[in-house]
Amino acid sequence: KAGVTQTPRYLIKTRGQQVTLSCSPISGHRSVSWYQQTPGQGLQFLFEYFSETQRNKGNFPGRFSGRQFSNSRSEMNVSTLELGDSALYLCASSPGGAYGYTFGSGTRLTVV
Amino acid sequence: DQQVKQNSPSLSVQEGRISILNCDYTNSMFDYFLWYKKYPAEGPTFLISISSIKDKNEDGRFTVFLNKSAKHLSLHIVPSQPGDSAVYFCAAGSGGSNYKLTFGKGTLLTVNP
Repeated sequence: KAGVTQTPRYLIKTRGQQVTLSCSPISGHRSVSWYQQTPGQGLQFLFEYFSETQRNKGNFPGRFSGRQFSNSRSEMNVSTLELGDSALYLCASSPGGAYGYTFGSGTRLTVV
Repeated sequence: DQQVKQNSPSLSVQEGRISILNCDYTNSMFDYFLWYKKYPAEGPTFLISISSIKDKNEDGRFTVFLNKSAKHLSLHIVPSQPGDSAVYFCAAGSGGSNYKLTFGKGTLLTVNP
């Protein structure tokens, strides 16, 4: 069965711009979570959606937002990009909670 | 405040020997622990997990040990193989709020032939 698909794989943006990343979960998975990975910082939780509702949010500024559609696909948006937003953004889907994660390959965002 | 700590950024072992990766946590509410493996340019993949009601879980060459009193867990890989070379992340969650995992910063394991 198809895995978690994240698009695009690579992205270069300029400071001050905004960006939208996309995640298509495994078919049947209703939970989608987003994590940011920066060098030396591990994976930091951004937010989680289940059936189009945000159930949990990490400690990131309001510039980071997300949404989930009725088909469980999810997008995350970062507005007013800063250099420090350069990171690998990972999406994970699961049937319901955090213990059955399948991760996508990520979107590598570079802000210049 | 880092609730899950992997104090060794890197570890190098010889093929065939044991690899031991360590993880410490501070939050007493954590009751489920997982290890993920990550290769470059790929997302993390689930390796093995353990709940707080157990102190050991085995899956082939991989064994996870949990010491609740010390708030410490470890992953043992025996025997280590060159294909095991990757970054290993320790993660923890709590049943009361299973909507997210808290990850450590990772340990880069290199298995030398």
